Amino acid sequence: KNQVEQSPQSLIILEGKNCTLQCNYTVSPFSNLRWYKQDTGRGPVSLTIMTFSENTKSNGRYTATLDADTKQSSLHITASQLSDSASYICVVSDRGSTLGRLYFGRGTQLTVWP
Amino acid sequence: EADIYQTPRYLVIGTGKKITLECSQTMGHDKMYWYQQDPGMELHLIHYSYGVNSTEKGDLSSESTVSRIRTEHFPLTLESARPSHTSQYLCASEGGRQSELPGANVLTFGAGSRLTVL
Repeated sequence: KNQVEQSPQSLIILEGKNCTLQCNYTVSPFSNLRWYKQDTGRGPVSLTIMTFSENTKSNGRYTATLDADTKQSSLHITASQLSDSASYICVVSDRGSTLGRLYFGRGTQLTVWP
Repeated sequence: EADIYQTPRYLVIGTGKKITLECSQTMGHDKMYWYQQDPGMELHLIHYSYGVNSTEKGDLSSESTVSRIRTEHFPLTLESARPSHTSQYLCASEGGRQSELPGANVLTFGAGSRLTVL
């Protein structure tokens, strides 16, 4: 069964600290993995997208890593800010054709305290 | 600035009413999607379209219907709303490339429509 599991379910950190969110997947065949940020009451916004040949990708203070062999990804947030408080969703696509479908994780709810 | 727009953002209606959630995108994307999301849960695909006059049901059974008469417009309709339809509905379109490999298109979401059926 194709699944995407994220951990932790929720996380509270102090402003300025770093954190790492995890994503494990069983989706096969694998095409690409995406990380989205979803603010409360808003739609998800794309942070990074990685294919099997990419091990790491950065977007400002966000750095995503991918290990296609172990089917794990992480999202590292550096020097957190209050505006980082949101749900972070891992999404995996199963093929590169137009028929590829997306598998969504339930997200990690991050809260950054001042 | 958002290139995909959803209206209304919030809607509270009574059981049995007919409602239409609007979704429009200005990016010229062929692929559009409707997702349903409940608090703390993953997004579930309820409808998708790969172009004008093309619509398909998604993975999650839904009593809603969609139409795609124009590329930029993908409305979702509930003929008779029930409390079980209370949820957040997210519209998305797909296009552009963040990677050189195929299939790695960017999925752009609207801000969502939060529906409450009393």
